[in-house]
Amino acid sequence: GQQVMQIPQYQHVQEGEDFTTYCNSSTTLSNIQWYKQRPGGHPVFLIQLVKSGEVKKQKRLTFQFGEAKKNSSLHITATQTTDVGTYFCAMRGTSYDKVIFGPGTSLSVIP
Amino acid sequence: DAGVIQSPRHEVTEMGQEVTLRCKPISGHNSLFWYRQTMMRGLELLIYFNNNVPIDDSGMPEDRFSAKMPNASFSTLKIQPSEPRDSAVYFCASSTDGKLTQHFGDGTRLSIL
Repeated sequence: GQQVMQIPQYQHVQEGEDFTTYCNSSTTLSNIQWYKQRPGGHPVFLIQLVKSGEVKKQKRLTFQFGEAKKNSSLHITATQTTDVGTYFCAMRGTSYDKVIFGPGTSLSVIP
Repeated sequence: DAGVIQSPRHEVTEMGQEVTLRCKPISGHNSLFWYRQTMMRGLELLIYFNNNVPIDDSGMPEDRFSAKMPNASFSTLKIQPSEPRDSAVYFCASSTDGKLTQHFGDGTRLSIL
């Protein structure tokens, strides 16, 4: 069955440092979405990637979809305390319809 | 614009009691999802509906859980009888299409004593 890995599980960074989380699938994906959940909040959609090798940017956030469409990354440049939260990838495979969320990476930013 | 509306926000009840969680999706959205989130298991998809029809309920834990969507603007998730291990945050989400962006409600924090 479909397996989704996300690493690291936790990351503590000093404010101003960069942060990267990686999402890996055991099968080829049709698309991947990224969500952010603040502590005590609900997941909020950030972006969707569809094309092989696609790179999208949102201010300090850079999202990348792997060439083989089996992995993705989210990179935050110069983290701020407002970046605190859990970042989830959500995957949809090419052979199934269900969206599967990764386990998430919990980011803490030390001021 | 109103987002996905869930009620109640918090529920504390004793084991064995019936629990009903409610969700009103965003108007015009035709897909609705129920998730359960715990520290141990993360965010799990329980069931999703498309045009009010259950498409995939393979994530529903067991027969104690049931979900309905009688019309496009309302869905319920029922647990009967409830057990302490059902304690979690339950999210409802909706989208214009099952493949696209999901908008989450604020969730129901359920505690079964």
